[in-house]
Amino acid sequence: QKEVEQNSGPLSVPEGAIASLNCTYSDRGSQSFFWYRQYSGKSPELIMSIYSNGDKEDGRFTAQLNKASQYVSLLIRDSQPSDSATYLCAVIDPNAGGTSYGKLTFGQGTILTVHP
Amino acid sequence: DTGVSQDPRHKITKRGQNVTFRCDPISEHNRLYWYRQTLGQGPEFLTYFQNEAQLEKSRLLSDRFSAERPKGSFSTLEIQRTEQGDSAMYLCASRRKPRVGYGYTFGSGTRLTVV
Repeated sequence: QKEVEQNSGPLSVPEGAIASLNCTYSDRGSQSFFWYRQYSGKSPELIMSIYSNGDKEDGRFTAQLNKASQYVSLLIRDSQPSDSATYLCAVIDPNAGGTSYGKLTFGQGTILTVHP
Repeated sequence: DTGVSQDPRHKITKRGQNVTFRCDPISEHNRLYWYRQTLGQGPEFLTYFQNEAQLEKSRLLSDRFSAERPKGSFSTLEIQRTEQGDSAMYLCASRRKPRVGYGYTFGSGTRLTVV
């Protein structure tokens, strides 16, 4: 059973702190990993993608991938109240027609609250 | 690049009625996806089109659901004889031929409420 698991939270951090969001996946063949941010009542917004082991930084966001341990994480530095949202981890299903299909499997999301 | 457009944004319908949603992908994107999201859950894959061909359908897509993409442009998702369990956000996304690590963008979604 292919799964993507996240702690649903809520995760609460003070403004200016580092928020750490974690995700594990079950299929070792997975190659591409994404983090989406979703504000209440809105659609998911892509914020990071990663496919190589290690870290990838983009502004205040850092995605980390460890394929051996089958986990991917998202760090948000200098957290702001505007970062309060649900963060969704997504993985491309490698067995659905290969990567060309691009079918994503999502975790249930982690609710992040940044308080002033 | 005007983004993925979905219509309507909200739909309230009575149980047993049929509803149809429309998705206009980003122009020249030949891949189109439909997802469904219920409260507190991540989006769940429903179906995938490459051009006009429907290449994969989830088991979630019962025989009451049908999706089309005539001429490989816009797509429609129809739900017949709606049930209260169909209440959800229906999301559409599109992209070009993907490269590894290339994600896709969702439209604003259609929120369906079945009463």
